Amino acid sequence: GNSVTQMEGPVTLSEEAFLTINCTYTATGYPSLFWYVQYPGEGLQLLLKATKADDKGSNKGFEATYRKETTSFHLEKGSVQVSDSAVYFCALSDSTTSYDKVIFGPGTSLSVIP
Amino acid sequence: DAGVIQSPRHEVTEMGQEVTLRCKPISGHNSLFWYRQTMMRGLELLIYFNNNVPIDDSGMPEDRFSAKMPNASFSTLKIQPSEPRDSAVYFCASSFSSGGQYNEQFFGPGTRLTVL
Repeated sequence: GNSVTQMEGPVTLSEEAFLTINCTYTATGYPSLFWYVQYPGEGLQLLLKATKADDKGSNKGFEATYRKETTSFHLEKGSVQVSDSAVYFCALSDSTTSYDKVIFGPGTSLSVIP
Repeated sequence: DAGVIQSPRHEVTEMGQEVTLRCKPISGHNSLFWYRQTMMRGLELLIYFNNNVPIDDSGMPEDRFSAKMPNASFSTLKIQPSEPRDSAVYFCASSFSSGGQYNEQFFGPGTRLTVL
């Protein structure tokens, strides 16, 4: 079946540090991949997406590249800010099941300290 | 744009009581999703509707849980009777599903349920 694995948190970084959150996936078909972000007390929001191999999704300084050969979709940001403190979820949807049925990873909590 | 609206935002109840969670999706969206979030199990899809019809309810934990979508602008998730292990944050999300591709899901702020 389809699944998503993320690095365990919590992750604590100083402001302006480089961020990497690892994500790997297992899928039976050709999935689309996503990163969602959840700020404290809020619902999830789509941060970025990639729909095919070698695509790079980017938004708000965050980037992730769809690597089919390593089944990975690692999230990166060159310089984090305090406002980036949130929980980050890697996710996929697969056309062999349903595009609407999104499988979420367990989430990685990020705290950025001044 | 009001976004997805959920009520109540917080609910505290006693074991055995009936709980009803409510959701108003974004106008024009035709798919609606109910999720449950806990520390132990993460984010789980309970059920989703397309054009008011339940498509997949395989995530509904047991018969104590039921969901309805009587029209395009309203859905309920009911737990009867509630148990302490049902304590979680319940999210509603909606999207415009056109088929053949992923369509972004927009999440509500969630309902934090505590069953004593």
